Amino acid sequence: GIQVEQSPPDLILQEGANSTLRCNFSDSVNNLQWFHQNPWGQLINLFYIPSGTKQNGRLSATTVATERYSLLYISSSQTTDSGVYFCAAYSGNTPLVFGKGTRLSVIA
Amino acid sequence: DAGVIQSPRHEVTEMGQEVTLRCKPISGHDYLFWYRQTMMRGLELLIYFNNNVPIDDSGMPEDRFSAKMPNASFSTLKIQPSEPRDSAVYFCASSPRTGKMGSGRRGETQYFGPGTRLLVL
Repeated sequence: GIQVEQSPPDLILQEGANSTLRCNFSDSVNNLQWFHQNPWGQLINLFYIPSGTKQNGRLSATTVATERYSLLYISSSQTTDSGVYFCAAYSGNTPLVFGKGTRLSVIA
Repeated sequence: DAGVIQSPRHEVTEMGQEVTLRCKPISGHDYLFWYRQTMMRGLELLIYFNNNVPIDDSGMPEDRFSAKMPNASFSTLKIQPSEPRDSAVYFCASSPRTGKMGSGRRGETQYFGPGTRLLVL
């Protein structure tokens, strides 16, 4: 099945800094999503982005399907951005496969 | 819409007891998914339903686990008997259908419930 790898596994930022999280996947995908799991454990949809670029406030994401990667950009980070960011993808009729996540800590 | 609703939010039980987790998907969504999250294994898909029919249960760890979806607005995940290694956070998610009815295309964006934190002593 499809493999999803995320990097870096951990990231510590000073408030106000920018960051880029990466997701590599092993096969062409029909669906790629980014989620944020907040410190209370809730999984929140950020983007559905099998290809192209989307922006939502300080967050944006780009997926280059032909090169099998997706990037999540966080600008002017805030302490509320802390948590774990997951990339998840599926190909064809396979289940949605999650990466291991990037744990982000934003310190004031 | 209230989003995906799960109950209970927390469950503490003793080994050998039956545990039933409940999920109400977002109204109008055709797909329902059950996931388990642990530190060791991350997020794993257990089973998913399309129009109340189980499509893929290959992630269900063993026969002690069973899931049902008697109607479009309700699903249960049951563990009987429970074991300490079942301790985890169990998430339910739903997604809408894409494409024409009967096209077989999977729903796109998945919306997760708040999860049930299960502790088996």
